[in-house]
Amino acid sequence: NAGVTQTPKFQVLKTGQSMTLQCAQDMNHEYMSWYRQDPGMGLRLIHYSVGAGITDQGEVPNGYNVSRSTTEDFPLRLLSAAPSQTSVYFCASSYGTSGTPDTQYFGPGTRLTVL
Amino acid sequence: GQQLNQSPQSMFIQEGEDVSMNCTSSSIFNTWLWYKQDPGEGPVLLIALYKAGELTSNGRLTAQFGITRKDSFLNISASIPSDVGIYFCAGQPRRGSNYKLTFGKGTLLTVNP
Repeated sequence: NAGVTQTPKFQVLKTGQSMTLQCAQDMNHEYMSWYRQDPGMGLRLIHYSVGAGITDQGEVPNGYNVSRSTTEDFPLRLLSAAPSQTSVYFCASSYGTSGTPDTQYFGPGTRLTVL
Repeated sequence: GQQLNQSPQSMFIQEGEDVSMNCTSSSIFNTWLWYKQDPGEGPVLLIALYKAGELTSNGRLTAQFGITRKDSFLNISASIPSDVGIYFCAGQPRRGSNYKLTFGKGTLLTVNP
């Protein structure tokens, strides 16, 4: 199993550009989430999904869109990048209520800089 | 939203020393988690706590779920250089809601050999 994979590892954008951060998991996990990590801020939840076709907003959803057309993939879209979106983005996945362990597995992260 | 206050923000210790860090919340969590993050990596789960008052160990790590459900503690005994990293506490509202973790701001641990 590759676990949770994220691409790209690094990205530099100009203000106003759009892009999609990719996340995939091969563990047949029901739940997937996106977090951003800023210095001194810990991780904050952007969006999450409890199954294919089901998504919802987290703590900091503005400026981001998600979709979940398959169990394996959960891409995060930045529609019009802003400098405030400079951050490290982590994707995570986990079993649903019927699975154990009851915890999330994190990908290696995407480091995004918006100029 | 819910907030977790994690302290201390950073620690600089000598190899062999014991380490303690804690996390407090303004609201109740039914699951407490402790993660470690190495530079350039994603967080990795160290210990999960599911019951108030629970004390759980993982090697040199021991964590406790506070009786009030609003706090948790992590202790590391006999620290070694590879313990260096950022330690995060995280709260989960209820069993099975692990898609929606609330994280503390982290404790940066530096171990001097």
